[in-house]
Amino acid sequence: NAGVTQTPKFRVLKTGQSMTLLCAQDMNHEYMYWYRQDPGMGLRLIHYSVGEGTTAKGEVPDGYNVSRLKKQNFLLGLESAAPSQTSVYFCASRAWDRVLFFHSNQPQHFGDGTRLSIL
Amino acid sequence: DQQVKQNSPSLSVQEGRISILNCDYTNSMFDYFLWYKKYPAEGPTFLISISSIKDKNEDGRFTVFLNKSAKHLSLHIVPSQPGDSAVYFCAASEAYSNYQLIWGAGTKLIIKP
Repeated sequence: NAGVTQTPKFRVLKTGQSMTLLCAQDMNHEYMYWYRQDPGMGLRLIHYSVGEGTTAKGEVPDGYNVSRLKKQNFLLGLESAAPSQTSVYFCASRAWDRVLFFHSNQPQHFGDGTRLSIL
Repeated sequence: DQQVKQNSPSLSVQEGRISILNCDYTNSMFDYFLWYKKYPAEGPTFLISISSIKDKNEDGRFTVFLNKSAKHLSLHIVPSQPGDSAVYFCAASEAYSNYQLIWGAGTKLIIKP
C-alpha cells in the first residue's frame, strides 16, 4: 500500500550542484505533479504531467526540469541548485476520471515530501 | 498576489467543540474548492471538496460551506477531536485549468484536551 513514494527524504546540496528527485506512484494514475512548499506559503506548482511522455509548466517552473518517461515515475531535476530552491518538495498524483462539471472528482494523492537544503 | 487566503495562521479549540476554518479567494473563475489536512513530516491528505454549484457539502464530522457572493468558504469540524490537530489547507481550481490547484498558506489547528 505504498501510494506515492518520494526519494530521497532529505538532502543537503551546495550551490551549483545538480540533483534529481524521484517520485513513484503505484496507483496507475495519469496525472502527476511537483510542488514546493515554503514557510508561510501554500503549495506552489512547479511542473505537472498529464500522461507518460508529457510535461507542462506550473506556477514556478524556473530552475527546474522534469521528465515522465514511465507512467509511474515523475522526476524533478535541479541543474544548478541555488539557495532560493531550499524548500520542501511534494509530489502528487491523480487518476483521470470522467469529468464532472469541468472538474475531476479525483483528489490528488501526495507523497511525504523531500526536504532540500541548498547551502 | 495571493488568490487563496487563509488569514488565520493558527486556531486553538477545545476538544468536543466546533472548529471553524476560513478561506477567502479573489479569483471569481474558481469553481471547485478542496480542503486538505497535513500532519508534520507527511504529505497533505484530501479531506473534502465542494463545487460552486453547491453551497454545502458534508462528510461525517466535516462540513464545507461556500458563499460565492462573498468569495468565502469555511470548514466546520464537529465535534473536534485530538486527532484533528494538523495544518489545514484550502485549495481552489477553475474550469479548463487542467485541474491545477491554487493553495492557501494553511491554518494550524490545535485541539486542546
